Parts: sequence; structure tokens; C-alpha cells
Amino acid sequence: SQTIHQWPATLVQPVGSPLSLECTVEGTSNPNLYWYRQAAGRGLQLLFYSVGIGQISSEVPQNLSASRPQDRQFILSSKKLLLSDSGFYLCAWKTLQTSTDTQYFGPGTRLTVL
Amino acid sequence: QKEVEQDPGPLSVPEGAIVSLNCTYSNSAFQYFMWYRQYSRKGPELLMYTYSSGNKEDGRFTAQVDKSSKYISLFIRDSQPSDSATYLCAMRAQTGANNLFFGTGTRLTVIP
Repeated sequence: SQTIHQWPATLVQPVGSPLSLECTVEGTSNPNLYWYRQAAGRGLQLLFYSVGIGQISSEVPQNLSASRPQDRQFILSSKKLLLSDSGFYLCAWKTLQTSTDTQYFGPGTRLTVL
Repeated sequence: QKEVEQDPGPLSVPEGAIVSLNCTYSNSAFQYFMWYRQYSRKGPELLMYTYSSGNKEDGRFTAQVDKSSKYISLFIRDSQPSDSATYLCAMRAQTGANNLFFGTGTRLTVIP
């Protein structure tokens, strides 16, 4: 079965510091991978998605970036965090090999920028 | 106008009640509809997945889609305290599309 991991689970960072969040998926190959941010009362906002190694699509212009160095690894980064980057960051995966063509989420990383 | 509207609640019901959660949407191209359950400080987990109009039942949960009214519902029968969570509706247009459109979620509390 497929599993998805995210780390760290929680993170407190000062404004202006760099960020690196990691997501890995097990039990599947060539998944589509997604980064979302969830802010209170605002639902899930799609930030980036990737259909393959090195292929990144950005949905929202911001100071964040994403990379996919390996098939089942997705990284969210920032060079300088802003207060507005605080939120709950979720990684998700999807393949057409599952019975439902939809996205499955990881446990999330709660980021607080002070 | 948002693509997907969902009443944020909060909604509190006694244990054993029937719960009705709803979403409306504006894009008639949406064909695939999902409900996710999200416990506090956890990632959303897929609860129900339906295609086009009609009903789908899974245990105590029933998902209902009315495309003519652009309205979807999730019913929970015999609600339990363990059902206390935020419920997110999601939808998309064609197969393989990467864009899922989410509601903001309804927070449900089932009181023992």
C-alpha cells in the first residue's frame, strides 16, 4: 500500500530565514505530487504540482519554490520566509493506478513564522 | 464568486443524530466529487468519491450529488463522537485534471 511522509511535523522559524519541507511517497511509482497550504477559514490553496522529476507547475506566485529531485520526493523551499507564509502545509499524491483518480494527503507540516 | 461554497459551521449535534453537510458550486463542468475528513492537526483523508449525479453509500456515510442544482451533500447516520472533524468537499472537471477545487470545510462536533 501507498504511504506518504512529511517532515518536520511542526516548525517555528523567524522572518527572513530559509525553509525546506520534505515529502516522500512510498509504494507507488511516477505519482503526481502536490503542495498545498491550508490557512484557517480559507480552505486548501494549491501551491505547486509536479507530474515528473524536474517538472514543476506553480499555481500561485509567491516567495516559495518547489523541486522534485527524485520520483517520489517533493521539496518545498523558501529563501526568506514572510509572516504570511505561516500555515499548515500539505503534500499530496495521485496516480492512475488507484481505484479513485483523486489526491491523497500526507500528515502535514505546521509552520509558524515569527 | 468562489467556485465552491461550503458553510464553515461549526455544527454541533448529539450522538446518534443524522448529520447533513453540503456544498454548492458554480462550474457546471465539475463531474467528480469528493468528501474528505480532517481531524485536528492532521491531513485530510478521503471519505467518499463519486462521479456525476446520484447517491453512493458506504456504511454510515451517504454522498449525494445533484448536478442540476450544483449541490452535493454528505449524510452521516448514527453519528459518533469519533466523527468530530472538519469535512471538506472537493471537486474537479475531467479525468486526470490536477486542479481540485475545495470548499473551506465544515467543522462538526458530535456530543456524547
